[in-house]
Amino acid sequence: DQQVKQNSPSLSVQEGRISILNCDYTNSMFDYFLWYKKYPAEGPTFLISISSIKDKNEDGRFTVFLNKSAKHLSLHIVPSQPGDSAVYFCAASRSGNTPLVFGKGTRLSVIA
Amino acid sequence: DAGVTQSPTHLIKTRGQQVTLRCSPKSGHDTVSWYQQALGQGPQFIFQYYEEEERQRGNFPDRFSGHQFPNYSSELNVNALLLGDSALYLCASSARGLSVLDTQYFGPGTRLTVL
Repeated sequence: DQQVKQNSPSLSVQEGRISILNCDYTNSMFDYFLWYKKYPAEGPTFLISISSIKDKNEDGRFTVFLNKSAKHLSLHIVPSQPGDSAVYFCAASRSGNTPLVFGKGTRLSVIA
Repeated sequence: DAGVTQSPTHLIKTRGQQVTLRCSPKSGHDTVSWYQQALGQGPQFIFQYYEEEERQRGNFPDRFSGHQFPNYSSELNVNALLLGDSALYLCASSARGLSVLDTQYFGPGTRLTVL
């Protein structure tokens, strides 16, 4: 039973446009959410996080939105750059002290 | 400042063998977590070590065991290898202990192939 779902295996976006990556979760006990980015032959790199007490968190070009009632979060990248091409993982945790549960990832390709 | 390092990079074993993977955490970090990432899947938590003890464990059989040394480095051991153990094994380190609020830094992983 997958508790964190990324239903789009891949996404292709033109440079300069917005990239929107989606993530759904089933466990209502999750209260902390993170996005990681992974390049080939490298480990995942932390990108941005959000606590369930917020519905939005912004860091430069990256914004994460959380809709608790829908158990849905999304990562917006504006403007998208070719260097953003990577696999993006959504992860969730309960109460800050339980292991991260990852989705399967979405491969983003930003085309110049 | 060196980040998280893992060795070896790649490893090929046959069914039934045993394997040991190694991880050195980022400088200043005292907590090490291990993840298994199968092809096409996200990382799956195996266990976490802090103060040389296993603190949390995911849904993995006892064939998976680990160790943390006084210098905070860690080993992952897998006994009686199965074909399904073929995966990328990721090590992540963090500071201050066990809270997921402390950012985890991942190493590049060890690619294990079981034939």
